[in-house]
Amino acid sequence: GAVVSQHPSWVICKSGTSVKIECRSLDFQATTMFWYRQFPKQSLMLMATSNEGSKATYEQGVEKDKFLINHASLTLSTLTVTSAHPEDSSFYICSARQGYGGYTFGSGTRLTVV
Amino acid sequence: AQSVTQPDIHITVSEGASLELRCNYSYGATPYLFWYVQSPGQGLQLLLKYFSGDTLVQGIKGFEAEFKRSQSSFNLRKPSVHWSDAAEYFCAVGVVSNFGNEKLTFGTGTRLTIIP
Repeated sequence: GAVVSQHPSWVICKSGTSVKIECRSLDFQATTMFWYRQFPKQSLMLMATSNEGSKATYEQGVEKDKFLINHASLTLSTLTVTSAHPEDSSFYICSARQGYGGYTFGSGTRLTVV
Repeated sequence: AQSVTQPDIHITVSEGASLELRCNYSYGATPYLFWYVQSPGQGLQLLLKYFSGDTLVQGIKGFEAEFKRSQSSFNLRKPSVHWSDAAEYFCAVGVVSNFGNEKLTFGTGTRLTIIP
């Protein structure tokens, strides 16, 4: 079956630094990937839609300059949290779409900013 | 705008008992509907999905769901739960945005606790 690898699974960083999270589709090509943010005991909130070779589409209220998304190949999308602050601490999950309605999720990244 | 409602925040069920998790959606057209399960600190695993056809959908791990258009519902069921079913369950609807892209909108989730 389709597999999406997300790395790292957890990261702790100092306030003001940047953190990069990778999302890879291992056995299929994903022209579209999605990035979600999940607060404790809450649902997944879509942050942005990443399309290979083009700029990401951000949801309303998401700062594109803080959450940089790059989808340079059909198997890799990255999310960079720039100048991270404690309020950016959260669980970030990526998803890759394979065909219409076929979504595979990564295992998530727990980001803690201290 | 589309929305998904999961009325039950937390459900506790005895092991071996039956389970039904409720999901209601609001969407102008026939939606694509999904149920996902999430274990603590993990990503989401697809249990089942409905696109069209038979309104009773079979999924993995013995789960099934029934699409009822008249009630705008897509409830998840399992005849006999196992302790390993304890997790967070999310209902989601697939919609097409104004840009023509498809994306998922999630409900708030239902936490399932299993007691011996």
